[in-house]
Amino acid sequence: DVKVTQSSRYLVKRTGEKVFLECVQDMDHENMFWYRQDPGLGLRLIYFSYDVKMKEKGDIPEGYSVSREKKERFSLILESASTNQTSMYLCASSLGVRKGEYFGPGTRLTVT
Amino acid sequence: ILNVEQSPQSLHVQEGDSTNFTCSFPSSNFYALHWYRWETAKSPEALFVMTLNGDEKKKGRISATLNTKEGYSYLYIKGSQPEDSATYLCAFGAGNNRKLIWGLGTSLAVNP
Repeated sequence: DVKVTQSSRYLVKRTGEKVFLECVQDMDHENMFWYRQDPGLGLRLIYFSYDVKMKEKGDIPEGYSVSREKKERFSLILESASTNQTSMYLCASSLGVRKGEYFGPGTRLTVT
Repeated sequence: ILNVEQSPQSLHVQEGDSTNFTCSFPSSNFYALHWYRWETAKSPEALFVMTLNGDEKKKGRISATLNTKEGYSYLYIKGSQPEDSATYLCAFGAGNNRKLIWGLGTSLAVNP
């Protein structure tokens, strides 16, 4: 079974802090994704990566950056957290659109 | 702009009712259509992937059909149970993309 893990289930940070969300997958997937999920807005793609050190912006990249130094790990960085970044963050990995995406358990981030 | 639409947005049914939802997607450059089930406090889990026009998939009381020429897929649940309560997401994969395009989901509540 594919396993996607995220570093924290719950996180509380203060406005202006730099926040790191880590995601690790153990199935050698090329593609990794960061989404945020807010009520009524579905899954919105922040960034994705299709190879080590490669990244592409998703639909809502503003205020975020990412890092993929190793194939199995994809990090989401909030450079200066703001209250409107309070959300559920989901990481996913895949071998391609035909294979579908496998999701981690999510990180509920609260920025106060 | 690729767009995936799901209807209805939400649905309340009684235990034992059968129900169905719709996913509409672009009919050009089709590669794959995925259905996911997303329960509260869990991460989305894959139900089906369909790749050929006319595909029908079934898992227990849940089944799905695919029409790529007209760009729609139906998800059916026969004899709904309270444990079927979840958000059902569909996601479209185009041939030239590395990422899936997600619908907003149909939220199903099954009352005992």
